Order: sequence, then C-alpha cells, then structure tokens
Amino acid sequence: AQTVTQSQPEMSVQEAETVTLSCTYDTSENNYYLFWYKQPPSRQMILVIRQEAYKQQNATENRFSVNFQKAAKSFSLKISDSQLGDTAMYFCAVQLNFGNEKLTFGTGTRLTIIP
Amino acid sequence: KAGVTQTPRYLIKTRGQQVTLSCSPISGHRSVSWYQQTPGQGLQFLFEYFSETQRNKGNFPGRFSGRQFSNSRSEMNVSTLELGDSALYLCASSPGTEFYNEQFFGPGTRLTVL
Repeated sequence: AQTVTQSQPEMSVQEAETVTLSCTYDTSENNYYLFWYKQPPSRQMILVIRQEAYKQQNATENRFSVNFQKAAKSFSLKISDSQLGDTAMYFCAVQLNFGNEKLTFGTGTRLTIIP
Repeated sequence: KAGVTQTPRYLIKTRGQQVTLSCSPISGHRSVSWYQQTPGQGLQFLFEYFSETQRNKGNFPGRFSGRQFSNSRSEMNVSTLELGDSALYLCASSPGTEFYNEQFFGPGTRLTVL
C-alpha cells in the first residue's frame, strides 16, 4: 500500500515570494507517478504538476517546479513569484501504473498568499 | 470539451436514508473514480470503474456501491446513511487506456447527513 505524508498543515507567504511545500511518500513499487494538486476554495481539484518516477529530471510548469528525490522518497513543490491566486489547499498524491487509477493523497497543506 | 460534471452539487439527507450521486465524465473517457473528502480522513479512494466494470476498490464498507453505464456515466450509491458519511464526494475521469492517464476532477457533491 502507498502512503503520502505532508508535514506542513498550513503555510503563508508574501505575494511574489517563493515557497516550498514538502511531501514524502512510501511505496514498494518502482514505477509510479507523483502529483501535486491544487484545491482552491471553489473545491475544484486541479492538477498542478506531475513527475514520472523513472525520470530523473525534475518537472517544471511555469512558476511551479518539483524537487524529486527518489531514494529519499521525497517530492517537494516550489512555487516561485507567488500570486494571490495560488491561495489554496495543495495535495501531494501518488499513483501506480496503468490499470490502477487510484490516487493516494496526503493530508494537504493550506497555503495562503498574503498581499 | 465539457469537463466532468457531478449532480447534484448539494444534498441533505437524514440518517438511515440512501443516496445516489451521479458523475458524467469527459467525452471519450472510460474510467471514472470516486473519492470521499472529509476534514478528518482527508481524500480517500472509494472505487474506480472502467468499461462498466469495477477495476479498483478502496476500503469502504459494502454500503458504498457504484456502477457505470455504457456511456461511461457513473453513479455511486450509499445506503443506510450515517452521520460520518457527510463529506464532499469527488469523481474523476480519465481515458483509462494509456500508460499514464491524467485524471480530471469534477466540482464534487456536498452530502450532509442529519
């Protein structure tokens, strides 16, 4: 079974600053996918970024990037130049391979961007 | 393309009743997954349907059931409702056929059990 741990229940940062959200996970599988999802107050879950475990290169999507350390089973999210619209709950999740759509989520980090 | 839709968006029931929630996936998607989100337990996987067959199942009691129709629309049913079933129920759809499938979430159904 997979487990995902997010040790920061809440974080806040000034607008335009950089913030890093932490995530550790555990799985006995060698091939899997890691995700960061954003859930704003509207409750719509939105995919922010994904990382394939077999890729050593860290994924980036505009202002969002990850630091993926496979041996340490660590998957942190860095948000650069934070914006007010980044205020949301952020969930880290892991998914196994094809044929298994189940996402295992962490408990989430509530991020507040302060104007 | 239209996104994932869920109906109803809000629902109030009393203990002991049963409820049916509906999820319409993105056109062409054949996989639908259901999640329960509560403040105490977080996001938990209920089950996944692919081509009208349950492909994966989480650790929920038999009161929680689902089905998928030939047009990929899915329903989940909760019988004999308990107070602890109050939650946001999210569904997600994906093509279900590729090695990696991005899942797209619906807006959720907020169920309140009184």
